[in-house]
Amino acid sequence: DVKVTQSSRYLVKRTGEKVFLECVQDMDHENMFWYRQDPGLGLRLIYFSYDVKMKEKGDIPEGYSVSREKKERFSLILESASTNQTSMYLCASVFGEGVAGYTFGSGTRLTVV
Amino acid sequence: AQSVTQLGSHVSVSEGALVLLRCNYSSSVPPYLFWYVQYPNQGLQLLLKYTSAATLVKGINGFEAEFKKSETSFHLTKPSAHMSDAAEYFCAVSLGYGGSQGNLIFGKGTKLSVKP
Repeated sequence: DVKVTQSSRYLVKRTGEKVFLECVQDMDHENMFWYRQDPGLGLRLIYFSYDVKMKEKGDIPEGYSVSREKKERFSLILESASTNQTSMYLCASVFGEGVAGYTFGSGTRLTVV
Repeated sequence: AQSVTQLGSHVSVSEGALVLLRCNYSSSVPPYLFWYVQYPNQGLQLLLKYTSAATLVKGINGFEAEFKKSETSFHLTKPSAHMSDAAEYFCAVSLGYGGSQGNLIFGKGTKLSVKP
Protein backbone atom coordinates (compact mmCIF):
# COMPACT_ATOMS: atom_id res chain seq x y z
CA ASP A 1 0.00 0.00 0.00
CA VAL A 2 1.10 3.53 -0.72
CA LYS A 3 2.03 5.44 2.35
CA VAL A 4 1.95 9.17 2.71
CA THR A 5 3.60 10.24 5.94
CA GLN A 6 3.24 13.65 7.52
CA SER A 7 5.96 14.27 10.05
CA SER A 8 3.83 15.75 12.83
CA ARG A 9 0.26 15.02 13.95
CA TYR A 10 0.03 18.08 16.20
CA LEU A 11 2.05 21.29 16.18
CA VAL A 12 1.84 24.45 18.25
CA LYS A 13 3.76 27.45 16.96
CA ARG A 14 3.98 31.12 17.85
CA THR A 15 2.86 33.99 15.63
CA GLY A 16 5.69 35.06 13.34
CA GLU A 17 7.55 31.76 13.44
CA LYS A 18 8.65 30.04 10.24
CA VAL A 19 6.92 26.66 10.11
CA PHE A 20 7.79 23.62 8.01
CA LEU A 21 5.29 20.84 7.39
CA GLU A 22 6.85 17.77 5.83
CA CYS A 23 5.22 15.12 3.68
CA VAL A 24 6.89 11.98 2.31
CA GLN A 25 5.40 9.34 0.00
CA ASP A 26 6.94 5.98 -0.75
CA MET A 27 5.46 5.00 -4.14
CA ASP A 28 7.26 7.21 -6.65
CA HIS A 29 4.18 9.35 -7.30
CA GLU A 30 4.77 12.36 -9.51
CA ASN A 31 1.93 14.47 -8.17
CA MET A 32 1.71 15.82 -4.65
CA PHE A 33 -0.72 18.26 -3.02
CA TRP A 34 -1.17 20.34 0.10
CA TYR A 35 -4.66 21.14 1.40
CA ARG A 36 -5.99 22.89 4.43
CA GLN A 37 -9.24 21.81 6.00
CA ASP A 38 -11.48 24.05 8.07
CA PRO A 39 -14.98 23.38 9.44
CA GLY A 40 -17.65 24.31 6.93
CA LEU A 41 -15.13 25.10 4.20
CA GLY A 42 -14.09 21.59 3.21
CA LEU A 43 -10.68 21.02 1.65
CA ARG A 44 -8.95 23.93 -0.03
CA LEU A 45 -5.93 23.43 -2.26
CA ILE A 46 -2.87 25.44 -1.26
CA TYR A 47 -0.16 24.24 -3.66
CA PHE A 48 0.56 21.25 -5.83
CA SER A 49 3.54 19.82 -7.66
CA TYR A 50 3.81 17.59 -10.71
CA ASP A 51 7.51 16.92 -10.54
CA VAL A 52 10.70 17.72 -8.70
CA LYS A 53 11.30 21.47 -8.42
CA MET A 54 7.91 22.17 -10.01
CA LYS A 55 5.12 23.87 -8.10
CA GLU A 56 1.83 25.48 -8.93
CA LYS A 57 -0.48 27.65 -6.86
CA GLY A 58 -3.79 26.27 -5.78
CA ASP A 59 -6.81 28.21 -4.60
CA ILE A 60 -5.34 29.75 -1.43
CA PRO A 61 -1.53 30.10 -1.77
CA GLU A 62 -1.20 33.43 0.11
CA GLY A 63 1.05 33.14 3.14
CA TYR A 64 2.46 29.78 2.06
CA SER A 65 5.30 28.46 -0.06
CA VAL A 66 6.42 24.95 -0.96
CA SER A 67 9.56 23.03 -1.75
CA ARG A 68 10.06 19.84 -3.73
CA GLU A 69 13.73 19.00 -3.97
CA LYS A 70 13.18 15.23 -4.14
CA LYS A 71 10.36 13.32 -5.76
CA GLU A 72 9.21 11.71 -2.54
CA ARG A 73 9.14 14.84 -0.36
CA PHE A 74 6.87 17.87 -0.56
CA SER A 75 7.24 20.53 2.11
CA LEU A 76 4.79 23.27 3.00
CA ILE A 77 6.32 26.43 4.48
CA LEU A 78 4.55 29.11 6.47
CA GLU A 79 7.01 31.99 6.17
CA SER A 80 5.57 33.90 9.14
CA ALA A 81 2.83 32.00 10.89
CA SER A 82 -0.36 33.84 11.77
CA THR A 83 -3.34 32.82 13.90
CA ASN A 84 -5.57 32.55 10.82
CA GLN A 85 -3.34 29.70 9.63
CA THR A 86 -4.50 27.55 12.52
CA SER A 87 -5.97 24.59 10.69
CA MET A 88 -5.71 20.93 9.73
CA TYR A 89 -3.20 20.44 6.91
CA LEU A 90 -3.44 17.41 4.64
CA CYS A 91 -0.90 16.14 2.15
CA ALA A 92 -1.84 13.83 -0.73
CA SER A 93 -0.12 12.11 -3.63
CA VAL A 94 -1.21 10.34 -6.80
CA PHE A 95 0.31 8.61 -9.78
CA GLY A 96 -0.34 10.03 -13.23
CA GLU A 97 -3.71 11.58 -14.03
CA GLY A 98 -5.14 10.60 -10.72
CA VAL A 99 -7.89 8.25 -11.81
CA ALA A 100 -6.83 5.84 -9.08
CA GLY A 101 -7.66 8.44 -6.46
CA TYR A 102 -5.40 10.36 -4.16
CA THR A 103 -3.68 8.85 -1.12
CA PHE A 104 -3.76 11.14 1.90
CA GLY A 105 -1.52 11.46 4.90
CA SER A 106 -2.96 11.47 8.43
CA GLY A 107 -2.88 15.24 8.64
CA THR A 108 -1.12 17.82 10.80
CA ARG A 109 -3.24 19.88 13.15
CA LEU A 110 -1.42 23.19 13.46
CA THR A 111 -2.25 25.74 16.15
CA VAL A 112 -0.68 29.18 15.92
CA VAL A 113 -0.80 31.12 19.19
CA ALA B 1 -15.35 23.97 -14.78
CA GLN B 2 -16.34 21.07 -12.61
CA SER B 3 -17.96 21.41 -9.23
CA VAL B 4 -19.42 19.18 -6.53
CA THR B 5 -22.39 19.83 -4.26
CA GLN B 6 -23.08 17.70 -1.22
CA LEU B 7 -26.61 18.19 0.08
CA GLY B 8 -26.70 18.32 3.84
CA SER B 9 -23.69 19.18 5.96
CA HIS B 10 -24.99 16.89 8.72
CA VAL B 11 -26.96 13.66 8.43
CA SER B 12 -28.13 11.61 11.40
CA VAL B 13 -29.41 8.03 11.19
CA SER B 14 -30.19 5.29 13.66
CA GLU B 15 -28.06 2.19 13.85
CA GLY B 16 -29.38 -0.33 11.31
CA ALA B 17 -31.09 2.32 9.16
CA LEU B 18 -30.29 3.15 5.55
CA VAL B 19 -27.50 5.63 4.97
CA LEU B 20 -27.94 8.01 2.01
CA LEU B 21 -25.43 10.78 1.39
CA ARG B 22 -26.11 12.94 -1.62
CA CYS B 23 -23.64 14.24 -4.17
CA ASN B 24 -24.33 16.14 -7.38
CA TYR B 25 -21.62 17.16 -9.78
CA SER B 26 -21.19 19.52 -12.67
CA SER B 27 -18.80 18.58 -15.46
CA SER B 28 -18.48 19.36 -19.13
CA VAL B 29 -17.13 15.91 -19.95
CA PRO B 30 -17.64 12.45 -18.42
CA PRO B 31 -16.11 12.71 -15.01
CA TYR B 32 -14.29 10.47 -12.61
CA LEU B 33 -16.06 10.45 -9.25
CA PHE B 34 -14.86 9.51 -5.78
CA TRP B 35 -16.12 9.16 -2.24
CA TYR B 36 -13.72 9.57 0.68
CA VAL B 37 -14.26 9.02 4.40
CA GLN B 38 -12.50 10.88 7.20
CA TYR B 39 -12.53 9.66 10.80
CA PRO B 40 -11.81 12.22 13.54
CA ASN B 41 -8.29 13.65 13.44
CA GLN B 42 -7.28 11.48 10.51
CA GLY B 43 -6.64 11.90 6.81
CA LEU B 44 -9.05 10.97 4.04
CA GLN B 45 -9.46 7.35 2.97
CA LEU B 46 -10.80 6.33 -0.43
CA LEU B 47 -14.17 4.55 -0.10
CA LEU B 48 -14.93 3.97 -3.78
CA LYS B 49 -14.48 5.44 -7.23
CA TYR B 50 -16.30 5.60 -10.56
CA THR B 51 -14.07 5.63 -13.62
CA SER B 52 -16.54 4.98 -16.48
CA ALA B 53 -16.95 1.23 -16.05
CA ALA B 54 -20.01 -0.11 -14.18
CA THR B 55 -22.38 2.61 -13.00
CA LEU B 56 -22.97 0.87 -9.66
CA VAL B 57 -19.75 0.92 -7.71
CA LYS B 58 -19.08 -1.08 -4.58
CA GLY B 59 -16.59 0.13 -2.04
CA ILE B 60 -15.21 -0.77 1.33
CA ASN B 61 -17.21 -1.21 4.55
CA GLY B 62 -20.43 -2.11 2.68
CA PHE B 63 -20.85 1.24 0.92
CA GLU B 64 -21.86 1.63 -2.69
CA ALA B 65 -22.66 4.48 -5.05
CA GLU B 66 -24.52 4.75 -8.33
CA PHE B 67 -23.49 7.05 -11.16
CA LYS B 68 -26.58 8.59 -12.77
CA LYS B 69 -25.61 10.71 -15.74
CA SER B 70 -29.14 12.02 -16.35
CA GLU B 71 -29.32 13.31 -12.78
CA THR B 72 -25.61 14.27 -12.56
CA SER B 73 -25.56 12.44 -9.24
CA PHE B 74 -23.30 10.02 -7.42
CA HIS B 75 -25.09 9.32 -4.13
CA LEU B 76 -23.49 7.11 -1.49
CA THR B 77 -25.57 4.44 0.24
CA LYS B 78 -25.26 1.71 2.81
CA PRO B 79 -28.23 -0.55 3.65
CA SER B 80 -27.62 -0.72 7.39
CA ALA B 81 -25.68 1.87 9.39
CA HIS B 82 -23.17 0.83 12.01
CA MET B 83 -21.87 2.96 14.85
CA SER B 84 -18.40 2.78 13.28
CA ASP B 85 -19.72 4.59 10.17
CA ALA B 86 -19.85 7.88 12.07
CA ALA B 87 -17.39 10.09 10.18
CA GLU B 88 -17.23 12.84 7.61
CA TYR B 89 -17.72 11.91 3.96
CA PHE B 90 -16.43 13.82 0.96
CA CYS B 91 -17.47 13.51 -2.66
CA ALA B 92 -14.93 14.53 -5.32
CA VAL B 93 -14.81 14.88 -9.11
CA SER B 94 -11.96 14.88 -11.61
CA LEU B 95 -11.71 15.08 -15.37
CA GLY B 96 -8.89 12.56 -15.23
CA TYR B 97 -6.57 14.69 -17.35
CA GLY B 98 -2.99 15.42 -16.51
CA GLY B 99 -2.12 18.82 -15.16
CA SER B 100 -4.34 21.05 -13.07
CA GLN B 101 -7.45 20.02 -15.01
CA GLY B 102 -7.06 16.59 -13.48
CA ASN B 103 -7.00 17.83 -9.91
CA LEU B 104 -9.75 16.55 -7.66
CA ILE B 105 -12.50 19.02 -6.79
CA PHE B 106 -14.00 18.23 -3.37
CA GLY B 107 -17.43 18.87 -1.96
CA LYS B 108 -17.68 20.53 1.44
CA GLY B 109 -18.36 17.25 3.21
CA THR B 110 -21.24 15.61 5.08
CA LYS B 111 -20.89 14.62 8.70
CA LEU B 112 -22.68 11.37 9.44
CA SER B 113 -23.88 10.66 12.98
CA VAL B 114 -25.21 7.23 13.95
CA LYS B 115 -27.55 6.98 16.94
CA PRO B 116 -27.72 3.77 18.98
